[in-house]
Amino acid sequence: QVQLVQSGAAVKKPGSSVKVSCWVSTSNLKATAISWVRHIPGQGPEWMGGIIPLFNTTDYAQKFQGRVAITADESTSTVYMEVTGLRSEDTALYYCARRAGGCMTTRCYLDKWFAPWGQGTLVTVSS
Amino acid sequence: DIQVTQSPSSLSASVGDRVTISCRASQAISNSLVWYQQKPGKAPNLLLYGASRLESGVPSRFSGSGSGAHYTLTINNLQPEDFATYYCQQYYSDPVTFGGGTKVEI
Repeated sequence: QVQLVQSGAAVKKPGSSVKVSCWVSTSNLKATAISWVRHIPGQGPEWMGGIIPLFNTTDYAQKFQGRVAITADESTSTVYMEVTGLRSEDTALYYCARRAGGCMTTRCYLDKWFAPWGQGTLVTVSS
Repeated sequence: DIQVTQSPSSLSASVGDRVTISCRASQAISNSLVWYQQKPGKAPNLLLYGASRLESGVPSRFSGSGSGAHYTLTINNLQPEDFATYYCQQYYSDPVTFGGGTKVEI
C-alpha cells in the first residue's frame, strides 16, 4: 500500500510562510490524488485542498483560497502545501492524505475520502 | 457547507461493551459518509465508507448504518485497541466536512 511521509515540525512567525512536503511511496505520482487536511486540537479536521497530478489541477476550500498553494513534483513523488500569511490561528497539525481511487492514462476514478494519511506535521505560529 | 455533528463528544466504556456513535449532517447526504479511527499521535485510519461498507482489513466488530442525515457507527465487543477518537466525514457535497470527533475512553 502507498505510504505518505511528511516533513518535520515547523515553528513560524506571524506573517511568514510555511511549506510542508509529503513524499508518496509510488513510482507514478500521476496515479494518485493527494489532499491536505488541517486539524486543530479540539476541533474536527478541515479539508484545505487537493491536487490531481495527472492533470496538474488543484482545488481549494474557499476559506483557504489565495493563501494556500498545493504543488506536485513527479520526479521526487512529492506533494507540497504552502501556507502564506500565517497567523496564530493556523497553529495546527497538517496532514496529507491520498484520495480513494486513482488515475490511469487519461482518466481518474476518485472518491472523496482519504486513505492512507501521512503522519502529520505540526506547524506552530508564534511570535 | 454541510455541517456534521457527532455525539457524544466522549464516552466511557469497558472491554466487551457495545458502543454507538452518532453522526448527524445538516442535510440528507445519501449514505455519502465515512468513519475514521484515530489513536493518539497517529494519523486517522479509514474504517467504513458508503456509510456501511467495511474497509479492507477492518475487523467485523465495526459496523455502520443510517440514512438521510443521521448515521451511526457501532463497535461490538469493544477491544482494548479500540480506545481512540472516531470521526465521521461527509462527501456528499464539496467541500467535504468532518465531525468534531468522539473520544472512546476506558
